[in-house]
Amino acid sequence: EVQLVESGGGLVQPGGSLRLSCAASGFTFSDHYMDWVRQAPGKGLEWVGRTRNKANSYTTEYAASVKGRFTISRDDSKSSLYLQMNSLKTEDTAVYYCARDRRDRTGSWYSDYWGQGTLVTVSS
Amino acid sequence: AIQLTQSPSSLSASVGDRVTITCRASQGISSALAWYQQKPGKAPKLLIYDASSLESGVPSRFSGSGSGTDFTLTISSLQPEDIATYYCQQFSSYPQTFGPGTKVDIK
Repeated sequence: EVQLVESGGGLVQPGGSLRLSCAASGFTFSDHYMDWVRQAPGKGLEWVGRTRNKANSYTTEYAASVKGRFTISRDDSKSSLYLQMNSLKTEDTAVYYCARDRRDRTGSWYSDYWGQGTLVTVSS
Repeated sequence: AIQLTQSPSSLSASVGDRVTITCRASQGISSALAWYQQKPGKAPKLLIYDASSLESGVPSRFSGSGSGTDFTLTISSLQPEDIATYYCQQFSSYPQTFGPGTKVDIK
């Protein structure tokens, strides 16, 4: 059974930093791309970024709203995904989800499994 | 960035009704579109990928269609457990944007 468990959320002051983790199990983590998606309270979903797999050099993509402040990394030996968040702003307050990506027949990678999320609150 | 719009933003329908939600992309995305269902307090769940492929385990009353810029999600016979917000997401280019969501209620 595929499981994704996020941790590391909490209250942080504006300008501060936080590192989120996502522990994966039930599948070969190293084969998959992985995404972070967030959802501000009462709002819609916002894609944060993606890390590709080793076969694609672990390259990353980011939303403009977080580029230069957030860094996605992974440790395949631990089946873990990370999101390092620096220079946090109040508008970064959200539930952060990690999601596993699966490649379909056309070559696109879709998010097929999601964790339950971890809440990050940026406030003074 | 590719913008996705959804209509309607909310709808109320009776059990057994046919429900259709539309997602429009600001530029062509071929078939690189997915639909998700999100219930309150829960993570999103993949329903449809590649615009029209039904995810394993998803009831057959859900279907997707479209390509290019215009897409639809159809629930052929609305059930009480389908009360949720539905989002489309494009996977054609980065950033992989979501639509604003459509909230579905039972009348």
